[in-house]
Amino acid sequence: DGGITQSPKYLFRKEGQNVTLSCEQNLNHDAMYWYRQDPGQGLRLIYYSQIVNDFQKGDIAEGYSVSREKKESFPLTVTSAQKNPTAFYLCASSSIGTSPVNEQFFGPGTRLTVL
Amino acid sequence: AQKITQTQPGMFVQEKEAVTLDCTYDTSDQSYGLFWYKQPSSGEMIFLIYQGSYDEQNATEGRYSLNFQKARKSANLVISASQLGDSAMYFCAMREGIQGAQKLVFGQGTRLTINP
Repeated sequence: DGGITQSPKYLFRKEGQNVTLSCEQNLNHDAMYWYRQDPGQGLRLIYYSQIVNDFQKGDIAEGYSVSREKKESFPLTVTSAQKNPTAFYLCASSSIGTSPVNEQFFGPGTRLTVL
Repeated sequence: AQKITQTQPGMFVQEKEAVTLDCTYDTSDQSYGLFWYKQPSSGEMIFLIYQGSYDEQNATEGRYSLNFQKARKSANLVISASQLGDSAMYFCAMREGIQGAQKLVFGQGTRLTINP
């Protein structure tokens, strides 16, 4: 089945540690995205990528880094510079084509807790 | 800057009734897209319906319809004949432009509870 996988589902980090969240898609989508969701809030865009080896900052990129070495993969690193990283992280992907819709498909999410 | 406002933090509806979830938006762009997503307690976001700024007809997808009032900058989601499985968080989102990679701006969401 085509879809997006994220791992791990739950992640615990000590303060001062960097952690990497995995995101893989087999939908052959060109674009991939990372969002952060805090309790009772909507999603906020961290980074997005339209093509391999290229990515752009979203609204809350400080303290995060990404890479896009393969079309299928878009890992997110939460660095120690991120002051309040405890949140739910969602990865998404979409086509970039002539269709006006190009809706984003989301993974199941990773819940990160800083101890 | 773009902004999405969902003024209903929570809604409670009896099963089989119709429900309208409110969404207003603010943008200076002429071309934009509006989306509704459903987020069950599992956390995954599920795409429901899309409306483009130039679409003349209101979008419909099964039991979901979008009441698009461009002059009022509103894009309310209507769910007909609600079911217990409709209980979830619902998010309205807006994208700048029509094509290409999407920078989506989300509202705060509305928690919908369907009572039997």
